[in-house]
Amino acid sequence: NAGVMQNPRHLVRRRGQEARLRCSPMKGHSHVYWYRQLPEEGLKFMVYLQKENIIDESGMPKERFSAEFPKEGPSILRIQQVVRGDSAAYFCASSSTTDVGQPQHFGDGTRLSIL
Amino acid sequence: EDQVTQSPEALRLQEGESSSLNCSYTVSGLRGLFWYRQDPGKGPEFLFTLYSAGEEKEKERLKATLTKKESFLHITAPKPEDSATYLCAVGGSNYKLTFGKGTLLTVNP
Repeated sequence: NAGVMQNPRHLVRRRGQEARLRCSPMKGHSHVYWYRQLPEEGLKFMVYLQKENIIDESGMPKERFSAEFPKEGPSILRIQQVVRGDSAAYFCASSSTTDVGQPQHFGDGTRLSIL
Repeated sequence: EDQVTQSPEALRLQEGESSSLNCSYTVSGLRGLFWYRQDPGKGPEFLFTLYSAGEEKEKERLKATLTKKESFLHITAPKPEDSATYLCAVGGSNYKLTFGKGTLLTVNP
């Protein structure tokens, strides 16, 4: 499967725990984007990364959220001390270019539930 | 700030009954308008990119069109397997896509 791979597909955490979401981009893609989809809301941009660099994190909450895309391995979205409001579907997308006029291809998401 | 509004929120059709979905947008410097299809529990699946007013793209029963203010997704003689949420997004002057909330299409046999 050469598509965008996200894991886990479902993640349950208790309030105060940490959540780690992983994303492997499509083969040949070096640009990764994270989006969050809340119930009844559209997809909202969170962060854009290239290998070892955060390019734009303007959509990410200032506290508790961080993202990385190391030289080797998947991109990680990390949420510390989770709260109920963090419950959402988190989608990763990748592209082969920085040109926003080219389509981004999405994974099937991680559904995060906070107890 | 880029904005995308989709209408209607939900649309129910009978099999074979053609219709259109609307996507109105405001964006500073359109780099691309995108249509995606999303099935329950899945991620958005890319359908089309439109770049300039007057452009049209077709794929099976779907045709997307673009003006300076809106895009339409026309569905001709839909089948039950066309049931999904259709998402519209714009790419503007920065790196992110701005999405609408989507139109939930249900096609009854």
